[in-house]
Amino acid sequence: DGGITQSPKYLFRKEGQNVTLSCEQNLNHDAMYWYRQDPGQGLRLIYYSQIVNDFQKGDIAEGYSVSREKKESFPLTVTSAQKNPTAFYLCASSNPGQGLGTEAFFGQGTRLTVV
Amino acid sequence: RKEVEQDPGPFNVPEGATVAFNCTYSNSASQSFFWYRQDCRKEPKLLMSVYSSGNEDGRFTAQLNRASQYISLLIRDSKLSDSATYLCVVKSYNFNKFYFGSGTKLNVKP
Repeated sequence: DGGITQSPKYLFRKEGQNVTLSCEQNLNHDAMYWYRQDPGQGLRLIYYSQIVNDFQKGDIAEGYSVSREKKESFPLTVTSAQKNPTAFYLCASSNPGQGLGTEAFFGQGTRLTVV
Repeated sequence: RKEVEQDPGPFNVPEGATVAFNCTYSNSASQSFFWYRQDCRKEPKLLMSVYSSGNEDGRFTAQLNRASQYISLLIRDSKLSDSATYLCVVKSYNFNKFYFGSGTKLNVKP
């Protein structure tokens, strides 16, 4: 089945540690996105990539880094510079353009907790 | 100003009721529009795309008013299983970026 897989589902990080969240898709989508969601809040864009080997900062990129070396993979690293990393992280992908079939598809999310 | 604004609710309605959610967006260059459903502690899932002429999918009807930059979702004959948060989403013409509203929470009571 086609879809997006995020791992791990739950992640605990000690303060000062970097952690990497995995996102893999087999939908052959060009565009991929990382969002952060805090309790009772909407989704905020961290980074997005429209094509392999290219990515752009979103609204809250500070303290995060990404890479896009392969079309199907878009890992997110939460660095120690991110002061409040506890949140629900969602990866998404889409076809470019507008109209039918260009909606965002989401992975099941990674819930990160700093301990 | 936020790109997409929604009333956070909650909307508390009895089973069988009709409920409507509204959403406004600020960027007139927005070209694609969607409603997503998000259950507690889960990922958002596409409920329906919103077409310029309006569209219906069973008990759900979506409308778009480009002149007023306004999107609506109507749910008829509410079911207990409709209880969720409904996210209004617009996709920009440039950069293929999605903008999400903060969501409207719906509670359907027996």
